[in-house]
Amino acid sequence: GQQVMQIPQYQHVQEGEDFTTYCNSSTTLSNIQWYKQRPGGHPVFLIQLVKSGEVKKQKRLTFQFGEAKKNSSLHITATQTTDVGTYFCAGHNAGGTSYGKLTFGQGTILTVHP
Amino acid sequence: DVKVTQSSRYLVKRTGEKVFLECVQDMDHENMFWYRQDPGLGLRLIYFSYDVKMKEKGDIPEGYSVSREKKERFSLILESASTNQTSMYLCASSTYVWGASNQPQHFGDGTRLSIL
Repeated sequence: GQQVMQIPQYQHVQEGEDFTTYCNSSTTLSNIQWYKQRPGGHPVFLIQLVKSGEVKKQKRLTFQFGEAKKNSSLHITATQTTDVGTYFCAGHNAGGTSYGKLTFGQGTILTVHP
Repeated sequence: DVKVTQSSRYLVKRTGEKVFLECVQDMDHENMFWYRQDPGLGLRLIYFSYDVKMKEKGDIPEGYSVSREKKERFSLILESASTNQTSMYLCASSTYVWGASNQPQHFGDGTRLSIL
């Protein structure tokens, strides 16, 4: 079945440093979504990428979808303590059904030292 | 704002018990999902439902069943709880838009289930 691998599993940064998490799928994706889960909270939707090579920005966050639609990345510029949490990518298989089923990566846990 | 409500935040049950986890959403969403979240494994899909009385197995359905008798309610059932089902369980819902790509999933706060 489809697998979505996410690296790194953990990332510790000093406040102000940049952070990147990478997501790779074993199959071609029709789209990819990114979620953030604060400590003690539930995953919250951040963004969806649909087109090959797509790049989207949300303030200090930059999201990319690979040309082959099998990988994606999230980059945070100048991290702040409010960025702490677990970041998940979630992909929908291009050959799958259209009932909104997603396969989640394992997540990257980000800690930011002030 | 979408509200997904899970019946319990914490639950402790004994091995062999039948356990019911309830989830209700208030946005008339077609799709509902049950995940379990374990450290280092991310969110793994147990079952999902795309309509009333319709269900499909996810990646780890063994030991679980589900029920969707009403559109707003999706129940997860552990037929005979075992210690390896100790986990955080998350319910989610999303709408369906014809011809469009996936819509965002909205999650409940989760139920932390301990099986002793």
